[in-house]
Amino acid sequence: EPEVTQTPSHQVTQMGQEVILRCVPISNHLYFYWYRQILGQKVEFLVSFYNNEISEKSEIFDDQFSVERPDGSNFTLKIRSTKLEDSAMYFCASSAWASKETQYFGPGTRLLVL
Amino acid sequence: AQSVTQLGSHVSVSEGALVLLRCNYSSSVPPYLFWYVQYPNQGLQLLLKYTTGATLVKGINGFEAEFKKSETSFHLTKPSAHMSDAAEYFCAVSEESDNQGGKLIFGQGTELSVKP
Repeated sequence: EPEVTQTPSHQVTQMGQEVILRCVPISNHLYFYWYRQILGQKVEFLVSFYNNEISEKSEIFDDQFSVERPDGSNFTLKIRSTKLEDSAMYFCASSAWASKETQYFGPGTRLLVL
Repeated sequence: AQSVTQLGSHVSVSEGALVLLRCNYSSSVPPYLFWYVQYPNQGLQLLLKYTTGATLVKGINGFEAEFKKSETSFHLTKPSAHMSDAAEYFCAVSEESDNQGGKLIFGQGTELSVKP
């Protein structure tokens, strides 16, 4: 069964460094999302992406964040200058044209900013 | 604005007992409703969803949920708990916006523990 994959599974970085989190959505999906889950808190929406542009973003998704679909398969989230409070689990999700409301999640990348 | 409230951050049941996890939502338009499960150190797995049609929806692993518009609820149930059901459960709501897909708004989660 097709699934969303994410790399790396864990990333440790120093405050101020740039990180890129990578996702490979399900191959025929057209809608892509990033969410984050700070330890012990609820899952929060960051950004949605369709047709090579951002559809919607939350107030969390400030200028330090960017997303890109560099090729036909990858979907990336970049954090330019990480802060301690960026430490969280980051989930990628995707959905299909025929059922765009149904999102399938990847296993997540646990980011730790020191 | 949409929101989701899950009553009870922790629920404990005995193996074989009924599981009931509560979810209430607010939405200005007919919502799409979801339950996801997160096992330790894993991602979110879709359990079931309500979009339109039958208000009682069945999902994987014997779970089901009923959409009650009058109560703005979407409670998750399972007749008989199994040890393997121990996990965190998230209720979520979305409103599809045009052709752009819809962000999910999650509840705070309910951790289910199952006692032998």
